Amino acid sequence: DTGVSQDPRHKITKRGQNVTFRCDPISEHNRLYWYRQTLGQGPEFLTYFQNEAQLEKSRLLSDRFSAERPKGSFSTLEIQRTEQGDSAMYLCASSPRARSGNTIYFGEGSWLTVV
Amino acid sequence: GNSVTQMEGPVTLSEEAFLTINCTYTATGYPSLFWYVQYPGEGLQLLLKATKADDKGSNKGFEATYRKETTSFHLEKGSVQVSDSAVYFCALGTDSWGKLQFGAGTQVVVTP
Repeated sequence: DTGVSQDPRHKITKRGQNVTFRCDPISEHNRLYWYRQTLGQGPEFLTYFQNEAQLEKSRLLSDRFSAERPKGSFSTLEIQRTEQGDSAMYLCASSPRARSGNTIYFGEGSWLTVV
Repeated sequence: GNSVTQMEGPVTLSEEAFLTINCTYTATGYPSLFWYVQYPGEGLQLLLKATKADDKGSNKGFEATYRKETTSFHLEKGSVQVSDSAVYFCALGTDSWGKLQFGAGTQVVVTP
């Protein structure tokens, strides 16, 4: 069990640039989630996938954000035309089944700083 | 809507002291409840969970009991260590997709 892997761990970008984060879930997990966490706050749900299907998106996910999970394996989260308000940690998580009682396993997060 | 409320931090304790972090929730239906811990610079790790009323979750000396009558899931540990210094998040899951809603987190600082 290698855990949920995220890359890069840290990204500093200039306002207006595009950034992409990658998440590799635990291999047997078909559910994948993206959350955003700002300093001093709890994680906020952004979106999730079951296999390759994106099943729900939060209203926090503006049209500058796009997430994909081709072939139901790894996922990418792209932010276009970054703004300073996008500075946060982006957390990926996965779980083996679509039931609320099952454990969701988080990666170590990707820190984004927009300058 | 659903929500989770945690006591504000930081909570500063001496080693071997008793720790309680209060968590209350508002939810429709029958949520599952979780405590996650986040060490500095790291992601979240599941600490314990409870899936129905009166269940007690426990792990690493931490305990929490799912109290439906008071809509609470308070975290306790009888004797904290310096290594328990972290931010603790209470969370609830209500839908079949496993989505979690988190509280704002409570920072715990344990001094030698």
